[in-house]
Amino acid sequence: AQSVTQLDSHVSVSEGTPVLLRCNYSSSYSPSLFWYVQHPNKGLQLLLKYTSAATLVKGINGFEAEFKKSETSFHLTKPSAHMSDAAEYFCVVSFISGGSYIPTFGRGTSLIVHP
Amino acid sequence: DAGVIQSPRHEVTEMGQEVTLRCKPISGHNSLFWYRQTMMRGLELLIYFNNNVPIDDSGMPEDRFSAKMPNASFSTLKIQPSEPRDSAVYFCASTRDRVGTEAFFGQGTRLTVV
Repeated sequence: AQSVTQLDSHVSVSEGTPVLLRCNYSSSYSPSLFWYVQHPNKGLQLLLKYTSAATLVKGINGFEAEFKKSETSFHLTKPSAHMSDAAEYFCVVSFISGGSYIPTFGRGTSLIVHP
Repeated sequence: DAGVIQSPRHEVTEMGQEVTLRCKPISGHNSLFWYRQTMMRGLELLIYFNNNVPIDDSGMPEDRFSAKMPNASFSTLKIQPSEPRDSAVYFCASTRDRVGTEAFFGQGTRLTVV
């Protein structure tokens, strides 16, 4: 069975400190992996994606994620948090079924940034 | 392209009324998804279409929910009759079915049933 787990429902950091949002997946094959961000009362915006090329993926706004097959993880990081990073972050795994690639969402991690 | 377009952005309706949510996917995308987002359950996949054909509606919560995709550029999600517990944000997304391609989401419809 395919699944995605975000290990923390909330992460709280101070502005200027590093951010780590954790994501683990379960898949019988090498999946496509994504991180999306949702600011309050907004839609979902793609931060970055992994598609079996480089294992370290760079995204927008200084975010990165590293695919580790041995750990079935795809954690999201940023060296220095900014107040504007406060949002909900979703790890997404794309599974193929019925001819479609189905985006399957983790429960989300709320990032709180303190001044 | 203007992206995935959903309408209305906000809908307030009374319990028992019919509600229709609309979605225009990105041109050339052949899969379309409807999701519901609530605090309690997060983002749930309700139904998806491939080339306008419904493939899996196992996420539709009840028979009160129905969805159609009459052509490649339009889909509707209907709730009849609506109930207060249907209050949520409903998202539509579309993808081009190739490995590694991301889903593009609309801005969502915030539904409030009173």
